[in-house]
Amino acid sequence: AQTVTQSQPEMSVQEAETVTLSCTYDTSESNYYLFWYKQPPSRQMILVIRQEAYKQQNATENRFSVNFQKAAKSFSLKISDSQLGDTAMYFCAFMKKTGTALIFGKGTTLSVSS
Amino acid sequence: GAVVSQHPSRVICKSGTSVKIECRSLDFQATTMFWYRQFPKQSLMLMATSNEGSKATYEQGVEKDKFLINHASLTLSTLTVTSAHPEDSSFYICSARAPRDSGNTIYFGEGSWLTVV
Repeated sequence: AQTVTQSQPEMSVQEAETVTLSCTYDTSESNYYLFWYKQPPSRQMILVIRQEAYKQQNATENRFSVNFQKAAKSFSLKISDSQLGDTAMYFCAFMKKTGTALIFGKGTTLSVSS
Repeated sequence: GAVVSQHPSRVICKSGTSVKIECRSLDFQATTMFWYRQFPKQSLMLMATSNEGSKATYEQGVEKDKFLINHASLTLSTLTVTSAHPEDSSFYICSARAPRDSGNTIYFGEGSWLTVV
């Protein structure tokens, strides 16, 4: 079975600073997808970034980037130039290549202050 | 606009009654949909995988007779909470997987708040 661990229940950062959210996972699969989702107070799940395990290059989406270490089974999210709108709960998620359900970590609540 | 639509967004029902939540894929046919439950400040817990034309696959600990899932068409899955009790009050959210040739992307509905009084 797959597991996803987020060891930081809460994080805080000042506007314009950089913050890194940690995620580790456990799987015996060799091919899979990893995701970071953002859930603001509206509760809508918003895809932040996606990484395919067979791709060595770290995914980036504007201010968001990941540090994917396959051997270490680590998938951290870096948010640069943090904005007040980044305040939300962030979930790391795993999905098999065959497309089964997303398995989520417990989440990290990020607060960005001015 | 929304790719996956969930309805109702909020529902209040009396204890002992049943309530149905709908999840529709608007732009694609979804052979597989997923239902999650989320308690305040907690993660999304997978309840079941809904397969079009066949029985849903439930996660361990989820009561099949309490949470009825029907996936009668390629664009609609429903979750019916039967004989609801206050402890069933929660946020329920569905997701649908787009076809592989569309990138295998997962789309989420807006979620449904259920309050049982």
